[in-house]
Amino acid sequence: KAGVTQTPRYLIKTRGQQVTLSCSPISGHRSVSWYQQTPGQGLQFLFEYFSETQRNKGNFPGRFSGRQFSNSRSEMNVSTLELGDSALYLCASSLLGQWYEQYFGPGTRLTVT
Amino acid sequence: AQKVTQAQTEISVVEKEDVTLDCVYETRDTTYYLFWYKQPPSGELVFLIRRNSFDEQNEISGRYSWNFQKSTSSFNFTITASQVVDSAVYFCALSVGAGANSKLTFGKGITLSVRP
Repeated sequence: KAGVTQTPRYLIKTRGQQVTLSCSPISGHRSVSWYQQTPGQGLQFLFEYFSETQRNKGNFPGRFSGRQFSNSRSEMNVSTLELGDSALYLCASSLLGQWYEQYFGPGTRLTVT
Repeated sequence: AQKVTQAQTEISVVEKEDVTLDCVYETRDTTYYLFWYKQPPSGELVFLIRRNSFDEQNEISGRYSWNFQKSTSSFNFTITASQVVDSAVYFCALSVGAGANSKLTFGKGITLSVRP
């Protein structure tokens, strides 16, 4: 069974631009969560989607948004990029009713210059 | 609010040494889950173990063992006879509530280096 895939793996953007990251969950998994990992703040929860609906949200500004499609694939978008948005963005998927067993993807390394 | 503290930031040991990674958590909820994840250089988080707040039984899995003590709010992880392949960043995490709540609160992580 294929694992969680994230594209692209690496991305370089300029301050002020916007970016979209993609996450394809494990087949059959309908919950997708997103996390940001930075050296200073560590791993922080961004949001979680299930059946195309956002169920949980972390403490991030409105520049960070996401969505989920009917095939459970998810995207997250960051608008008006700031230098501090440089991070590893991880997504995780889980089965319905097994939220505690999350499988993580390899992440997208975003660098904002 | 929930909090996970991993006071150790970096640990370096020689292969075959035993090493314990400490984790202290804070929550007012009586129902919660604790986790340990390993993050190798490739970046993805690898799930190691999950414990719920009603199960204080310690667990051993090969060279890995976990000690959960509610009295001290700790969930420590011991690697016995460490190997170079154990070199990674290890995260302890907490999730509260009995319902569907995939929001994990992570500690800052411990970078473990195992030297040959």
